[in-house]
Amino acid sequence: QLQLQESGPGLVKPSETLSLTCTVSGGSISSSSYYWGWIRQPPGKGLEWIGSIYYSGSTYYNPSLKSRVTISVDTSKNQFSLKLSSVTAADTAVYYCARSRRELTGDLSYYYYMDVWGKGTTVTVSS
Amino acid sequence: AIQLTQSPSSLSASVGDRVTITCRASQGISSALAWYQQKPGKAPKLLIYDASSLESGVPSRFSGSGSGTDFTLTISSLQPEDFATYYCQQFNSYLYSFGQGTKLEIK
Repeated sequence: QLQLQESGPGLVKPSETLSLTCTVSGGSISSSSYYWGWIRQPPGKGLEWIGSIYYSGSTYYNPSLKSRVTISVDTSKNQFSLKLSSVTAADTAVYYCARSRRELTGDLSYYYYMDVWGKGTTVTVSS
Repeated sequence: AIQLTQSPSSLSASVGDRVTITCRASQGISSALAWYQQKPGKAPKLLIYDASSLESGVPSRFSGSGSGTDFTLTISSLQPEDFATYYCQQFNSYLYSFGQGTKLEIK
């Protein structure tokens, strides 16, 4: 059974870079049927997609965060990572990693849906 | 960026009730919409994908419909374990966005 596990510092200082890693177990990150992504949820608020990556390294980012986000993949370790620069208190959140599964629709388009999630890790931005 | 607006933001209902949550997209997204359930302290769980396809293992009391800009999630007969927050999510040109969520509470 596929499992995802987030790891990284739980406390980051303002203006520094938040770095998290998601380790995939029970399956390969190098499958052509999936994207891998990061989502966050500030305390008491809704979900915000941060970005996604394909095993080949192709990335897509939320336009509102794009200038500060880098997502990378390490297929040899079955991991992908998030870096968010110049953090402020507004970046305090639970950060989730997730797998997006490819589905072929009736109009022969491919859509991707987040079907497996990590448990999430809390990151607090504070001095 | 495509925005999703869910209604209502919160809802009180009783066990056995039929409940409908709506999600409206700011532009047409065909059927590229999913619904997730999230319980406190837990990760979201995929319920419905491609607007109306039931995810494996999800009870059949959950159903989704819609296409284009207007979508609905229906729970035919609420069970105690269904009280949670529900989010819609769209996928367009490899970018995602979520609705603001609907909190379903026990009446």
